[in-house]
Amino acid sequence: GAVVSQHPSRVICKSGTSVKIECRSLDFQATTMFWYRQFPKKSLMLMATSNEGSKATYEQGVEKDKFLINHASLTLSTLTVTSAHPEDSSFYICSARGRIWEQYFGPGTRLTVT
Amino acid sequence: TQLLEQSPQFLSIQEGENLTVYCNSSSVFSSLQWYRQEPGEGPVLLVTVVTGGEVKKLKRLTFQFGDARKDSSLHITAAQPGDTGLYLCAGARDQGAQKLVFGQGTRLTINP
Repeated sequence: GAVVSQHPSRVICKSGTSVKIECRSLDFQATTMFWYRQFPKKSLMLMATSNEGSKATYEQGVEKDKFLINHASLTLSTLTVTSAHPEDSSFYICSARGRIWEQYFGPGTRLTVT
Repeated sequence: TQLLEQSPQFLSIQEGENLTVYCNSSSVFSSLQWYRQEPGEGPVLLVTVVTGGEVKKLKRLTFQFGDARKDSSLHITAAQPGDTGLYLCAGARDQGAQKLVFGQGTRLTINP
């Protein structure tokens, strides 16, 4: 149980375009999902908390207009990187909250902006 | 400010050796989780500890939560190359907390 999927696993896009990443909880409902960014050989950096049916809560320094988050159902949250630039290239990981404290992570999406 | 300090940050040992990774804080956590992450993949939950002094075992891995719930340790016995990865500790500040606080990770390499 507690499986979280992400799609796509890898994406290459041109500078200035937008990219949407999907995060799905496959066998449980998640009222709360999280989006992280991970730089090479570093720990996870929380970008935002996504709550089903309400606006996402962004961490300090994360541009909400650039990283659009939608959590329209109990099993799906999406992250859209708008007007992507090379500096947005990174490994993006989502997680879904299970029991009170536990988070279950997706496999990640490698974004490369050329 | 890093609320959870992991040590060591890097560790490279030979197969068969034992090792301990530490996760320390000056703050109290309601629970603490340990994850392992392999390159290009998402972190995988290994264990959750919630009670001060609690010890949990997962095959060759032993996890302990400090009595004061401010620290935790992960001990691996007879390490194997398959144990290689990034180990992350993460804590929840209280039962209502949505966010987890992550340590900076320990990158473990087990050499055959």
